[in-house]
Amino acid sequence: GQQVMQIPQYQHVQEGEDFTTYCNSSTTLSNIQWYKQRPGGHPVFLIQLVKSGEVKKQKRLTFQFGEAKKNSSLHITATQTTDVGTYFCAGDSGAGSYQLTFGKGTKLSVIP
Amino acid sequence: SQTIHQWPATLVQPVGSPLSLECTVEGTSNPNLYWYRQAAGRGLQLLFYSVGIGQISSEVPQNLSASRPQDRQFILSSKKLLLSDSGFYLCAWSGGGTGANVLTFGAGSRLTVL
Repeated sequence: GQQVMQIPQYQHVQEGEDFTTYCNSSTTLSNIQWYKQRPGGHPVFLIQLVKSGEVKKQKRLTFQFGEAKKNSSLHITATQTTDVGTYFCAGDSGAGSYQLTFGKGTKLSVIP
Repeated sequence: SQTIHQWPATLVQPVGSPLSLECTVEGTSNPNLYWYRQAAGRGLQLLFYSVGIGQISSEVPQNLSASRPQDRQFILSSKKLLLSDSGFYLCAWSGGGTGANVLTFGAGSRLTVL
């Protein structure tokens, strides 16, 4: 079945440093989604990427979808303590599937 | 606007006791509904999903079951809980129709089995 690998599992950064998490799928994706889960909270949708090579920005967050639609990344510029949480990617294989395949997430800690 | 409610928020249950978690969605019709489990510090495991009343697809064989008695109601149950059932249970919905869509999660139910 489809697998989505996400690295790193943990990342500790000093406030102001940049952060990147990477996501790789074993199969070509129809689209990829990113979610953020704050400590003690539930996952919240951030963005969806659909097109090959797509790049989207949300303030300090930059999301990329690979040309082959099998990998994606989330980059945060100048991290802040409010960025703390676990970031999940989730791949949609399309083809009528009702399921997203989630990566295991990257837990980000920001040291003030 | 659409909202999703999930309860109870927290529960502590003895091994062998039954379980019932409930989830309701408001402001939409014919949603796709999902139950996920998240073990401590781990990723999201899809347990069940439903595309319509009475239609349940199970992703992981276990002692849990799900039911959808009404269009916007999704229930997760167990007759006898195991220690390994402890975790954070998340209900989610997405727009109806074919294909996986953006998920909106409920606040979650944190279950501890002792």
